[in-house]
Amino acid sequence: AQKVTQTQTSISVVEKTTVTMDCVYETRDSSYFLFWYKQTASGEIVFLIRQDSYKKENATVGHYSLNFQKPKSSIGLIITATQIEDSAVYFCAMREWDNYAQGLTFGLGTRVSVFP
Amino acid sequence: EAAVTQSPRNKVTVTGGNVTLSCRQTNSHNYMYWYRQDTGHGLRLIHYSYGAGNLQIGDVPDGYKATRTTQEDFFLLLELASPSQTSLYFCASSDASTEVFFGKGTRLTVV
Repeated sequence: AQKVTQTQTSISVVEKTTVTMDCVYETRDSSYFLFWYKQTASGEIVFLIRQDSYKKENATVGHYSLNFQKPKSSIGLIITATQIEDSAVYFCAMREWDNYAQGLTFGLGTRVSVFP
Repeated sequence: EAAVTQSPRNKVTVTGGNVTLSCRQTNSHNYMYWYRQDTGHGLRLIHYSYGAGNLQIGDVPDGYKATRTTQEDFFLLLELASPSQTSLYFCASSDASTEVFFGKGTRLTVV
């Protein structure tokens, strides 16, 4: 069965620095998709960035980038030049190709607090 | 950008009451989902559907029914609401290999 684990429950950082969040996953599927989402203080869940398992290059979108280590079943999220508004809960999620109809399996999230 | 609209955004009902949560997506996605979010459990899949008239059971279906009346509309029904169903509910939609897009959530309180 698929599983996504985020071991860091909370991280505090100073504005304009870099924060890194960990995520490991378990799957028997050879093809899968990995996602990071952000849940804002209002409760909205916003898609940030994705990594397809067959791609070797790490995805980058704006100041978000991924550290994809396939042999370790790991997909870390890196946020550079953090801003106060990056304070949120970040969820790692996976979607297996063989079970794509079932949507996403989520980790429990990492709360990031950015301080001035 | 995908648009997923949930209504109502907030709902309070009594134990044993009847509640319907509505969701509409306007991006012609085939797949739609209902999740609930609870502290300590994260987001858990209740029901999902891959087209009008189709319904699949998720991971936590007990106490919930769902119906997909059109490609756009997906409803979650609580026929005998219980306090354990107090939660934040999210509807979402996607195609096969795309990211999943979420609505803004419905906060349900069962007193």
